[in-house]
Amino acid sequence: EVQLLQSGAEVKKPGESLKISCKGSGYSFADKWIGWVRQMPGKGLEWMGIIYPGDSDTKYSPSFGGQVTMSVDRSVSTAYLQWSSLKASDSAMYFCARHGFSLNGVYYPDYWGQGTLVTVSS
Amino acid sequence: IQLTQSPSSLSASVGDRVTITCRASQGISSFLAWYQQKPGKAPKLLIYGASTLQSGVPSRFSGSGSGTDFTLTISSLQPEDFATYYCQEVKNYPLGFTFGGGTKVEIK
Repeated sequence: EVQLLQSGAEVKKPGESLKISCKGSGYSFADKWIGWVRQMPGKGLEWMGIIYPGDSDTKYSPSFGGQVTMSVDRSVSTAYLQWSSLKASDSAMYFCARHGFSLNGVYYPDYWGQGTLVTVSS
Repeated sequence: IQLTQSPSSLSASVGDRVTITCRASQGISSFLAWYQQKPGKAPKLLIYGASTLQSGVPSRFSGSGSGTDFTLTISSLQPEDFATYYCQEVKNYPLGFTFGGGTKVEIK
């Protein structure tokens, strides 16, 4: 059974660093893209970017490039999303998703993590 | 590319036919997906390629459209369908997976 298990909720102060995780199981982790989506409290979905675990090829949405870093560790089948200096505006729920199938060159998300809630407050 | 969904919310009864529209600011061919999200849960892919039903999704859901105008239709609303629905353009994959603002479907 395919599963994506995200790390637990985090409470941080502005300026602190953070790395959240998304562990894949039940499939060949290296072979499927992993995407990240942000959802601020009471707001809609925002696409952050996508990473291919096989070679760490990463594509960032223009809105998030330079603000976060995506990475993977294939040895533990885990994708990461990290911040070097958090801001209050980074408070949100973050979802990872496996992009497991394609149509016309587009890889679509078929399995999702449960989400990680990040709260940044002084 | 901007996506405008309408309405932003609607109230409907079980058994109603519900239609949600999504308009793109420029043509995106059939590069559009629809998602359902329930409170506190991850989104769920319903439709991709504008009209292809994702495996396991009930056939009461359907998608149509091409170019700039798209619709998601629920033929007979069920209690489990009360949720927020988002469209997403994927033409600029993987850089621009822009989502629409969402449509909240509530119980009348």
